Amino acid sequence: GAVVSQHPSRVICKSGTSVKIECRSLDFQATTMFWYRQFPKQSLMLMATSNEGSKATYEQGVEKDKFLINHASLTLSTLTVTSAHPEDSSFYICSARGTRIEQYFGPGTRLTVT
Amino acid sequence: AQKITQTQPGMFVQEKEAVTLDCTYDTSDQSYGLFWYKQPSSGEMIFLIYQGSYDEQNATEGRYSLNFQKARKSANLVISASQLGDSAMYFCAMREVPVSNFGNEKLTFGTGTRLTIIP
Repeated sequence: GAVVSQHPSRVICKSGTSVKIECRSLDFQATTMFWYRQFPKQSLMLMATSNEGSKATYEQGVEKDKFLINHASLTLSTLTVTSAHPEDSSFYICSARGTRIEQYFGPGTRLTVT
Repeated sequence: AQKITQTQPGMFVQEKEAVTLDCTYDTSDQSYGLFWYKQPSSGEMIFLIYQGSYDEQNATEGRYSLNFQKARKSANLVISASQLGDSAMYFCAMREVPVSNFGNEKLTFGTGTRLTIIP
């Protein structure tokens, strides 16, 4: 149980375009979903927290208009990187939390902006 | 100030030996939680073990145990009888929940320890 999927696993896009990443909890209802960013050989940094049906809460320094988060249902959250630039290239990981205290993570999405 | 500190960037351990990965934390909250996650080269984060600040006994999950020393603010992960498949990055993380808004909990991760098991 407690499986979280992410799609796509890898994406390459051109500078200036937008990319949408989906995060789904497959076998539980996720009241809260989290989006993290991880640069090579570094730790995970929380970008934002989203609760189903409400606006996401962004961490300091994360641009809301650039990283659009939608948590439309108890099993789906999306992160859209708008007008992507090469510095947005990174590993993006989502996690989901249901009734248990631990967060379950998706397999991650590697974004490369050329 | 670092909230989670992992002082061992890398460790090499012989297969079948036990290994301890260090983690210290800093918080003024009374209620908090400590997690360990494993990240293999594939990138996914795998939950290993959890310790709540009010838990009196050290958490155990199979070969994993958490050596929780509250006064020292340390939460070391102990892996017994290490296996080749244990080679991965290991992250310690602390969960904080603001009193004002239960929904906006936050996990803060340490910088990780890369564990390599030698056959």
